[in-house]
Amino acid sequence: SQTIHQWPATLVQPVGSPLSLECTVEGTSNPNLYWYRQAAGRGLQLLFYSVGIGQISSEVPQNLSASRPQDRQFILSSKKLLLSDSGFYLCAWSVRGSEWGPLHFGNGTRLTVT
Amino acid sequence: GQNIDQPTEMTATEGAIVQINCTYQTSGFNGLFWYQQHAGEAPTFLSYNVLDGLEEKGRFSSFLSRSKGYSYLLLKELQMKDSASYLCAGRDSNYQLIWGAGTKLIIKP
Repeated sequence: SQTIHQWPATLVQPVGSPLSLECTVEGTSNPNLYWYRQAAGRGLQLLFYSVGIGQISSEVPQNLSASRPQDRQFILSSKKLLLSDSGFYLCAWSVRGSEWGPLHFGNGTRLTVT
Repeated sequence: GQNIDQPTEMTATEGAIVQINCTYQTSGFNGLFWYQQHAGEAPTFLSYNVLDGLEEKGRFSSFLSRSKGYSYLLLKELQMKDSASYLCAGRDSNYQLIWGAGTKLIIKP
């Protein structure tokens, strides 16, 4: 069966510090991968998605970036965090080529920028 | 623009039935999803509708009317563990999901 791992679960970082959140998927090949952010009282905001190694699409211009160094690894990064980067970050995967299929989410990372 | 509307909060009684409504406006339409999200946890997939009508899965059912841009999630025989937020998401012509802010469902004994 497929599983998705995301870490860390919680993170407190000062403004201006770097960020690296990692996500890995097991039990499937060539998945579509996604990074979402969820702010309180608002819908999930798609940040990045990837359909393959090295292929990243950015949905929202910001100080975050994403990379996919391996087929089942997706990393969210920032060089300098802002207060507004606080939120609940979710990694997700879906089956490649099955555009009708659902997204499956990791357990999320609660990021607090102080 | 694209938009998903659903009530912010609903309250229901254990053992009862509750219907959570969702209206959507998307650029093209490729299906409507419902997810359940317990506080502090990740969303989990509940149902998917792409054709008009009712899809039933145990205590949960989801309905879609494409002509009205409307869906609902019906929860029967409510249990305390059903207390959660329920997210509605529409898939647009680019197969991207547009998410509602979620409906927080409070179950009272």
